[in-house]
Amino acid sequence: GEDVEQSLFLSVREGDSSVINCTYTDSSSTYLYWYKQEPGAGLQLLTYIFSNMDMKQDQRLTVLLNKKDKHLSLRIADTQTGDSAIYFCAESFSGGSNYKLTFGKGTLLTVNP
Amino acid sequence: GAGVSQSPSNKVTEKGKDVELRCDPISGHTALYWYRQSLGQGLEFLIYFQGNSAPDKSGLPSDRFSAERTGGSVSTLTIQRTQQEDSAVYLCASSPGGRAETQYFGPGTRLLVL
Repeated sequence: GEDVEQSLFLSVREGDSSVINCTYTDSSSTYLYWYKQEPGAGLQLLTYIFSNMDMKQDQRLTVLLNKKDKHLSLRIADTQTGDSAIYFCAESFSGGSNYKLTFGKGTLLTVNP
Repeated sequence: GAGVSQSPSNKVTEKGKDVELRCDPISGHTALYWYRQSLGQGLEFLIYFQGNSAPDKSGLPSDRFSAERTGGSVSTLTIQRTQQEDSAVYLCASSPGGRAETQYFGPGTRLLVL
């Protein structure tokens, strides 16, 4: 079945790098996503990676995908206090239901000054 | 341009009452989604509308939940005879087509059932 797992909490110091990890179980995932949710706000798509890619970089964000281990990570370089939020990993699948997102429970990132 | 908007922002209701939650998608987006975010279950897919096709209602948790989309634009999620376990944030998203990688989310409606 579909399952996405994330650690619940991560705390880092301002200026350090943050690495948020995610594992998924379904090998038929097509795309894997990272969303950010700030307090009281909706979900903001940060980045996504197609399942045949190993890495994607976008400014301070680096996504690494290990398809063999079904492991996805999001690295935030030079983490700032404005990066404090909940980060959700999500996946979608090939075929007729490719619009559905399956989410992890989210990782609360706390950035300490 | 304007993003996805949802109303009300917050709703407090008594157990057993019906509630209606509204979503205004981004203009021109043909696909609309509802998700529920609750403490115990995380984010769950509820329902998907795409153009004039029959909606995918496979995520609706019970027959107390229903949704409609009028004129291919605004959508209303209705919960009848609310229960305390319905308390959650209800998120709406829209996309230009039915592809997950282009979903834009609204701020959500926070529902509290007393």
